[in-house]
Amino acid sequence: LAKTTQPPSMEAYEGQEVNVSCSHTNIATSEYIYWYRQVPHQGPQFIIQGYKDYVVNEVASLFISADRKLSTLSLPWVSLRDAAVYYCIVRGYAQGLTFGLGTRVSVFP
Amino acid sequence: EAGVTQSPRYAVLQEGQAVSFWCDPISGHDTLYWYQQPRDQGPQLLVYFRDEAVIDNSQLPSDRFSAVRPKGTNSTLKIQSAKQGDTATYLCASIGTEVFFGKGTRLTVV
Repeated sequence: LAKTTQPPSMEAYEGQEVNVSCSHTNIATSEYIYWYRQVPHQGPQFIIQGYKDYVVNEVASLFISADRKLSTLSLPWVSLRDAAVYYCIVRGYAQGLTFGLGTRVSVFP
Repeated sequence: EAGVTQSPRYAVLQEGQAVSFWCDPISGHDTLYWYQQPRDQGPQLLVYFRDEAVIDNSQLPSDRFSAVRPKGTNSTLKIQSAKQGDTATYLCASIGTEVFFGKGTRLTVV
């Protein structure tokens, strides 16, 4: 089961773009990369997932390096509501989600 | 679609008391997870089911914790004799194309 490494915290001002990196050097070929975020008193919420290259949705974009050992979650134009803990997870089919400590993103007005 | 429902939202116990947490997953999702999340930590997997079968309960403290999903739908997680170290939020998640989490039950053991 691959492990992930993320920075413990990041700070940004409203309107800035935030890029959260994640290292998953032992990722298996069967594993996908997922990003979740969690605000206080709520369960984690799915943001985006990918296998390789570049994925974008209405909330965020995800860039995955060619060797799949590094991914970067990009949050454009953050607002105060984007303040949360962001988790990068690698998961294979039929496996559980294994969470690390995540990255606490603080957003200032 | 309806989300994952958990109850109760909060529980406060004295050490030695028992408590049960209930989870109603999204209809049609055959895989269900229970996580324990201590304060300021990431969720840690306790047990997960596919339908009514336990797939992995290796992280479940079996002497005091138990989990069932008898009909492959709703699930119950029980702590037989709570300890202060059990203070945490207990999260339930169900699996479809994505993993959906409930809001959790925040347990405080005093």
